[in-house]
Formats: sequence, structure tokens, C-alpha cells
Amino acid sequence: NAGVTQTPKFQVLKTGQSMTLQCAQDMNHNSMYWYRQDPGMGLRLIYYSASEGTTDKGEVPNGYNVSRLNKREFSLRLESAAPSQTSVYFCASSLNRDRPAPQYFGPGTRLLVL
Amino acid sequence: KNQVEQSPQSLIILEGKNCTLQCNYTVSPFSNLRWYKQDTGRGPVSLTIMTFSENTKSNGRYTATLDADTKQSSLHITASQLSDSASYICVVSASSYKLIFGSGTRLLVRP
Repeated sequence: NAGVTQTPKFQVLKTGQSMTLQCAQDMNHNSMYWYRQDPGMGLRLIYYSASEGTTDKGEVPNGYNVSRLNKREFSLRLESAAPSQTSVYFCASSLNRDRPAPQYFGPGTRLLVL
Repeated sequence: KNQVEQSPQSLIILEGKNCTLQCNYTVSPFSNLRWYKQDTGRGPVSLTIMTFSENTKSNGRYTATLDADTKQSSLHITASQLSDSASYICVVSASSYKLIFGSGTRLLVRP
């Protein structure tokens, strides 16, 4: 099993450009998440999808959109990139049932917006 | 405001020594507390998850404790190895889907 995969690994954008970050998991997890990690700060939740067909805003959703394409895939789109969106983006998944479940993280996408 | 504070921010220890990392939180409601290990350039990896009723949980050389009354947790690493060099992140869950992350303690284990 590959676990959680993310593409691309690195990306440089100019202000105003758009892009989509891709995420896929092969663990049959029902929930998926997008986080951003900035220096000196904890990971912050951008959007999550509790199950296929649903998405909800997290702590910092402004400037982002998401699509839960199917159970395996959850994409994050930046419509008009801004320098403040320079960050490392992590996708995660978990199998949420009756008990707390660990989240499994992908390797991250490093995004620089000039 | 929901917050998770970790101390120290960074720590250097010699290989083979033990260390303890601290986590204080003000998160309500409280569902569970997690510790993650994050190697440089990688995604976090789960070490432990503790619910309100659990006050200690081990994962190999890692032992986490939880005092829900004082809202404190600690992660004890026994007989440290070079591979333990990483950031250790305390995470408090207010619900199944919303986790509050601390900024981490960066641990360096020297030979």
C-alpha cells in the first residue's frame, strides 16, 4: 500500500495563478483532510471531508476550494494564489468509526507563491 | 480560545539518554489527545492517542501521559536513538474531524 500520496511535491507560482493539489489514499478511509503548515505554527485545517460526497470548512478556508472526487481522492484548489499561501500543504486520511482514529499524512507539497 | 502549548521549543540530548516533552492545552470540548512524530521534510506520523479515561499509553520507547484535570500531557522517550531526532507534535481533538495542533518540540539526539 502506498498510503497517502500527494502531487506535486514542489511548486512555484506567480501571484494570481491557479493550481490544484492532488491527494489520494489507498487505505479505504472514509475521511480526508487538507492542512497547511507554516514555520513556528502548528498545522491548521483548511478543509475536510468526513465522507464521500461531503466537504466542510476548517480553520483557514479562505482562498481555497476542495473536491472529494471519490472515496480515494481529495483535491485542493487555489483559484488565485497569493504570497500568504506560501506554505507546506499536507493531505491526511483517517478511518473514523466509533473510536478515535489516527490520521495518516502524505509527504506534503511545498508551495512558493512569488 | 483553543490552544495547545508545547515546551521546550527545542531540546538537545545525548544518544542513550531519556527525555520528557510537555504539552498544556486549553481545548473544549475535549475528545482525545495525540502525539505525532514529524521527521524533517516528511508528514507527521501518529505515536499515541489517549481518550479522557486513559492516563498513560506506550508505543515502544515512547510513553505518553495525560492529566485531564490539569490539562497537561507529557511524552517520555526512553534510551534515545539518533533516529528519534524529529519534531514531536501534541494534538488535542475537540471532535472527530477538528484537531488543534501544537507548534512542536524539535528534538536533536547527538552521538
